[in-house]
Amino acid sequence: GENVEQHPSTLSVQEGDSAVIKCTYSDSASNYFPWYKQELGKRPQLIIDIRSNVGEKKDQRIAVTLNKTAKHFSLHITETQPEDSAVYFCAAKGLNYGGSQGNLIFGKGTKLSVKP
Amino acid sequence: EAGVAQSPRYKIIEKRQSVAFWCNPISGHATLYWYQQILGQGPKLLIQFQNNGVVDDSQLPKDRFSAERLKGVDSTLKIQPAKLEDSAVYLCASSLVPRGAGELFFGEGSRLTVL
Repeated sequence: GENVEQHPSTLSVQEGDSAVIKCTYSDSASNYFPWYKQELGKRPQLIIDIRSNVGEKKDQRIAVTLNKTAKHFSLHITETQPEDSAVYFCAAKGLNYGGSQGNLIFGKGTKLSVKP
Repeated sequence: EAGVAQSPRYKIIEKRQSVAFWCNPISGHATLYWYQQILGQGPKLLIQFQNNGVVDDSQLPKDRFSAERLKGVDSTLKIQPAKLEDSAVYLCASSLVPRGAGELFFGEGSRLTVL
């Protein structure tokens, strides 16, 4: 079945710097890759997603890139701000996990700390 | 728009006791998920409903966990008997698109501590 590896587990940056979080997946048939942000004690919320028919997607300061050949995708946050501090989860929708049509598999998360 | 509602927010029980969690999804969302999030890990799918039918329960420990979604709206997740390793946050989520292919809207979660 699908397996999603996420790195790094913790990331500390200075305000204004960029942050990059990387994920790899195992199921080459996976076709949907969302990123969720979870602030301390809060619910996970979708911040950006990408489907397998595109290589990059941007939304203001955040972007996601997808390399289907290498089976990895990355989250890029530019001009980081203290409010970006949270745990970020990548996920992949594996077609061969959990029965027909698959389901979302989450990475273990990256704790991002943005220092003022 | 009201979000996904869950209760209780916190529950502490002794091992071998039972516990039940309740979830009310966003109105109109046919797909409902229960996830288990152990501290320091990502959410792990336990069960997915499409309306009131189970679509995927391959990761649900069926000897102790059960879930139902009567009338295709509210859902309950039960654990009986609880084990120490069941200590986690139980997240309910709903979506318009099935099979995790679209945005999941999560509730605040129910934090379970098993002593």
